[in-house]
Amino acid sequence: AQKITQTQPGMFVQEKEAVTLDCTYDTSDPSYGLFWYKQPSSGEMIFLIYQGSYDQQNATEGRYSLNFQKARKSANLVISASQLGDSAMYFCAMRQMYNQGGKLIFGQGTELSVKP
Amino acid sequence: EPEVTQTPSHQVTQMGQEVILRCVPISNHLYFYWYRQILGQKVEFLVSFYNNEISEKSEIFDDQFSVERPDGSNFTLKIRSTKLEDSAMYFCASSGGQSSNQPQHFGDGTRLSIL
Repeated sequence: AQKITQTQPGMFVQEKEAVTLDCTYDTSDPSYGLFWYKQPSSGEMIFLIYQGSYDQQNATEGRYSLNFQKARKSANLVISASQLGDSAMYFCAMRQMYNQGGKLIFGQGTELSVKP
Repeated sequence: EPEVTQTPSHQVTQMGQEVILRCVPISNHLYFYWYRQILGQKVEFLVSFYNNEISEKSEIFDDQFSVERPDGSNFTLKIRSTKLEDSAMYFCASSGGQSSNQPQHFGDGTRLSIL
């Protein structure tokens, strides 16, 4: 069965510092994609970054990067130079290549608080 | 940038009543999804929809739930007889493809409150 685990319910980071949000996953399928979404207090879900299981390089998107360690089945999100607006819930999600409907499976989320 | 639009943003309904949540996916997307998020919990998959039929549904998506794409733009989720435990945020999402590298783009959600 596929599963996403985020073990940090809450994290604090000082403004302008970097922070790593952990995500581990479990799947027996060789082809899958890993996604991170941000959910501010207003509730919307914002797509941040994607990593494919066959990608050789770690994904980067502006201040977001993904530390992908396939052997460890981890896909940690790194946010550099944190800003106050980064305070939100962050969800890691997985989607399998040949899943019939392409559904996303989400982790429990990590609430990030950025301190001024 | 194109976006997924959901209406209403907040719906308050008496238990036992029917409710319809509406979504307008991104126009060139072909795959549509409904998820729900009970307050303080993770996002859960309900149903996926492609080519005018359900591709997959979760255990949550029982006979009380149905989805429809009544025209070329709207995608609706109907709950026939609401229960207290249906209170949650409901997200619609759409994707250009079902392969693993296609991100799903979410609407802002409808907060459903059952009294």
